[in-house]
Amino acid sequence: NAGVTQTPKFRVLKTGQSMTLLCAQDMNHEYMYWYRQDPGMGLRLIHYSVGEGTTAKGEVPDGYNVSRLKKQNFLLGLESAAPSQTSVYFCASRGTGNTGELFFGEGSRLTVL
Amino acid sequence: DQQVKQNSPSLSVQEGRISILNCDYTNSMFDYFLWYKKYPAEGPTFLISISSIKDKNEDGRFTVFLNKSAKHLSLHIVPSQPGDSAVYFCAASAKSNYQLIWGAGTKLIIKP
Repeated sequence: NAGVTQTPKFRVLKTGQSMTLLCAQDMNHEYMYWYRQDPGMGLRLIHYSVGEGTTAKGEVPDGYNVSRLKKQNFLLGLESAAPSQTSVYFCASRGTGNTGELFFGEGSRLTVL
Repeated sequence: DQQVKQNSPSLSVQEGRISILNCDYTNSMFDYFLWYKKYPAEGPTFLISISSIKDKNEDGRFTVFLNKSAKHLSLHIVPSQPGDSAVYFCAASAKSNYQLIWGAGTKLIIKP
């Protein structure tokens, strides 16, 4: 019973490098989200998707891009990593018909040196 | 401007006693509120929610109270158990967009 799976779980990058975080869900959920969590702060929404082929900006989208080519996958890309993007990233999904219950992955810890 | 505030970064409670976690919000458009629980190295998991048409929702040991006039909600855990030690996040949304706005979390420590 996988639920929401994120890869990789840990990554260290140098400033300027690029990388992609992959999120996969097996619950046939329409909505998918990428959040970041920083110390002393709540989760902040980066980008989200309301269905295959759609994406939208959240609170803190700058420096990130996303794609939702398949319903079960939501990719988060960093084209040119910066130290300010050091964070823990969480992917989440939810089905239509519920107003807020999100299912989260275990998180991906990214360090940018 | 933090729309959802959890003013206590941490809370320590004796096992068996009541734990009360508080959350304040500023946006009067919020009409749905949720509590999530998070263990280290795991993602948050949904705990309990409440709609603005109610002032109380109960699920086993967990009860959420909503005071709309004060823009305040609280989560009560009775009795507290060691497995309740975790970070608790309050989140709120408006029906218009369903995007959750999160508080910074409160770390609950249950002492044996």
